[in-house]
Amino acid sequence: NAGVTQTPKFQVLKTGQSMTLQCAQDMNHNSMYWYRQDPGMGLRLIYYSASEGTTDKGEVPNGYNVSRLNKREFSLRLESAAPSQTSVYFCASLDVPMGKLFFGSGTQLSVL
Amino acid sequence: DAKTTQPNSMESNEEEPVHLPCNHSTISGTDYIHWYRQLPSQGPEYVIHGLTSNVNNRMASLAIAEDRKSSTLILHRATLRDAAVYYCILRGVFTGANNLFFGTGTRLTVIP
Repeated sequence: NAGVTQTPKFQVLKTGQSMTLQCAQDMNHNSMYWYRQDPGMGLRLIYYSASEGTTDKGEVPNGYNVSRLNKREFSLRLESAAPSQTSVYFCASLDVPMGKLFFGSGTQLSVL
Repeated sequence: DAKTTQPNSMESNEEEPVHLPCNHSTISGTDYIHWYRQLPSQGPEYVIHGLTSNVNNRMASLAIAEDRKSSTLILHRATLRDAAVYYCILRGVFTGANNLFFGTGTRLTVIP
């Protein structure tokens, strides 16, 4: 099983450029999440989606937009990248009955 | 949302037991206690969770205080592969949004 797949794995952007981070899960989970992790820090929640068609802000939503395209896919968009958005981004989906989060392998983003 | 407090770092000798503490003094009666760990350069992975009773699985044991305001993750024999950051988080069963917050966790160093 693929689980949670994130693309790309690495990305370098210039300040002001835009890009979309892709996330897909094949476990039929309703809830999906986007986190960011700065060097030496814990994970901070950016946005989450409790079900297809719904999204909500987390702790640090500024500068980001999300789209829950369908049950499988949850994308994160940076409209105008800033150096402060340099981070590792993790997508996750939640097995609600078991209460278990499944994480992707992350996207390392550098904004110059 | 209820939050957790963990020590920033701990050390253990290889093949000795490790007790990782977590305080969650504002936990509600319907919050589950979850533990995840993050190995270097990977996304977090689920370790164990519980509500009131102590729990055991192949990876670890979870001891929950009687008043549920604290819990302890127990690794019975630490190995070098257990060196990771361990996160204690709370998940509200009846929280409609199911938003999940990670703190900075405890960085466990295993000494050979």
